[in-house]
Amino acid sequence: GAVVSQHPSWVICKSGTSVKIECRSLDFQATTMFWYRQFPKQSLMLMATSNEGSKATYEQGVEKDKFLINHASLTLSTLTVTSAHPEDSSFYICRARDSGRRSYNEQFFGPGTRLTVL
Amino acid sequence: KNQVEQSPQSLIILEGKNCTLQCNYTVSPFSNLRWYKQDTGRGPVSLTIMTFSENTKSNGRYTATLDADTKQSSLHITASQLSDSASYICVVSLTDSWGKLQFGAGTQVVVTP
Repeated sequence: GAVVSQHPSWVICKSGTSVKIECRSLDFQATTMFWYRQFPKQSLMLMATSNEGSKATYEQGVEKDKFLINHASLTLSTLTVTSAHPEDSSFYICRARDSGRRSYNEQFFGPGTRLTVL
Repeated sequence: KNQVEQSPQSLIILEGKNCTLQCNYTVSPFSNLRWYKQDTGRGPVSLTIMTFSENTKSNGRYTATLDADTKQSSLHITASQLSDSASYICVVSLTDSWGKLQFGAGTQVVVTP
């Protein structure tokens, strides 16, 4: 089956630093990728929709200058948390949409990245 | 208000027993409904996907049902195992080209020996 990977799987950083998270579709092309944030005991919250070769679309309340998204290729999207603060500590999950499939079974989640900001 | 409501929020069951999770939604227009299993610290993994025309879908010991008229779905776990301990999330897909999903808050299932 299709696989989506994320790197790193977990990261600890100091307050004020920037952290980059990668999301890769390993065996399919993804023109669209989605980034989610999940706090403990809560459901996934969509942060932004990333389209290859164009600017990301951010959900209301998500700061685009703080959460930089780059979808430079059909298999890679990156999320950079700039000037991270402790409140940014969360579980970040990407989801990739398989461009080649017309079936509804076309969307795959990554394993997530645990970010802890000290 | 969340357009996808799940119940119960959590439940504890004995290993080997069955359980049923509920999902009610008000999302429209509706494309398909999915059930995901999410282990702690991991991304969600798809269990079942149903369109509005499908009433039931099975995946091993997991059986999902859908009533598109009443906008209700259930996930039945048969002969639960310790590895079934996880959060089960009901997700409804909108009929748009962007693939946006509406997530339920999830039901936390704990299977005890």
